[in-house]
Order: sequence, then C-alpha cells, then structure tokens
Amino acid sequence: QKEVEQDPGPLSVPEGAIVSLNCTYSNSAFQYFMWYRQYSRKGPELLMYTYSSGNKEDGRFTAQVDKSSKYISLFIRDSQPSDSATYLCAPWDTGRRALTFGSGTRLQVQP
Amino acid sequence: DVKVTQSSRYLVKRTGEKVFLECVQDMDHENMFWYRQDPGLGLRLIYFSYDVKMKEKGDIPEGYSVSREKKERFSLILESASTNQTSMYLCASRTGTVNSPLHFGNGTRLTVT
Repeated sequence: QKEVEQDPGPLSVPEGAIVSLNCTYSNSAFQYFMWYRQYSRKGPELLMYTYSSGNKEDGRFTAQVDKSSKYISLFIRDSQPSDSATYLCAPWDTGRRALTFGSGTRLQVQP
Repeated sequence: DVKVTQSSRYLVKRTGEKVFLECVQDMDHENMFWYRQDPGLGLRLIYFSYDVKMKEKGDIPEGYSVSREKKERFSLILESASTNQTSMYLCASRTGTVNSPLHFGNGTRLTVT
C-alpha cells in the first residue's frame, strides 16, 4: 500500500466550477501537508501548505486537513482554464525530513 | 526568486553508459533532493543531502549514486544506465528550517536505449 494515495483522474470540469481534490495517507509521522501544482513539462511548484487540522485559505484555494482520518483536500473556487495541471499532495515526514508525494490528480478546466 | 537549474532538459543515453545529471541552486539552501517521476507512480525519492558531503538514501536508491562537493551543486550518477531508468528526473532544494518548502527544477527527461 502506498503511503499517500490520490485519484489520478483526469478530472474534467467546466470553467467556474468548484473543484475538490483529495488525498489519503497512512503514516502518522506526517505532520506538514503541502500541495504542489505541476504544469506540463515543468517542475512542481508549491501552491499551499498547512500544519494543523482545519482549513487554510489563499485566494481561490482552500486546503483542508483532517489528521484523525488522515484525509487531505484542496478546493479550488471559480476554477479557470489556467488551473489545468496536475495537483500533487505531499506530506512532510518529520522523521526522515523529506516529502512523500502522491501520484497526482490531473485536472482539466474546460473554457 | 529561488532558481534550481538542471543542466539538461532532454538526454538520450545507451544501456551501460555512465550518466551524470547535474543540479545547481542559487539560494544557499542546505538540503537538496533527487526524485524521479513516472506515470502512475508519482515522484519517488532517490537520494537527498542535508549538507555538503552528506547524503541519505531515499526510497529507490538502487542503481544510483550522488555527489555533493559544493553546497550549491548536487549530482545524480547512474553508474551503468539501464532501460528501466528511463524517466523524468527532478532536482529540488530547501532551507534547513522545519517547514520550508521544496523548490524544484524543470526536470531532465532521460531516455536509455
């Protein structure tokens, strides 16, 4: 079983839709949770990170963590075609001091 | 802005060749990482380094080695390239503080024939 699981998609939505991207993890050593966005032929770039359970908002993006159920979500409001990318959840393993990545969810926002 | 530069965008090598992938960062970061990215498998950690001349094995170190002689440079070495090492290789760096994010380069697409 992988330590971090993500639905690979692709997830196709119309412009303006609310998008929900989800991730589950199994390792209790994971304390910080990051979301990366990766455009085609580019390296991943940090979108958001959060430490505690609950919500963190940044513009159209909201990251949600539920440590009790080991479930992480990223919500995108008013989605735009420029949001079309692969979204990777990445918990930080404080013991190993490295990120463990999910396989990513590919999102397509149709104009 | 942090810049992580990988020396080659595309590389084609033959089976059995020794391959060097170079990565340079310009932000004086202590930690550097090498990942490979394959469809359906995501990013998998090969090796990482907390500081100069230090290295730690990641999840899939077999067939690879690394070198970190200077703080800004982290090299990934494929001692004898094989076709199953055909992949996208991503280098990343970060400061040593506990919650600092990774900054990635744009990757090297390596094909081994």
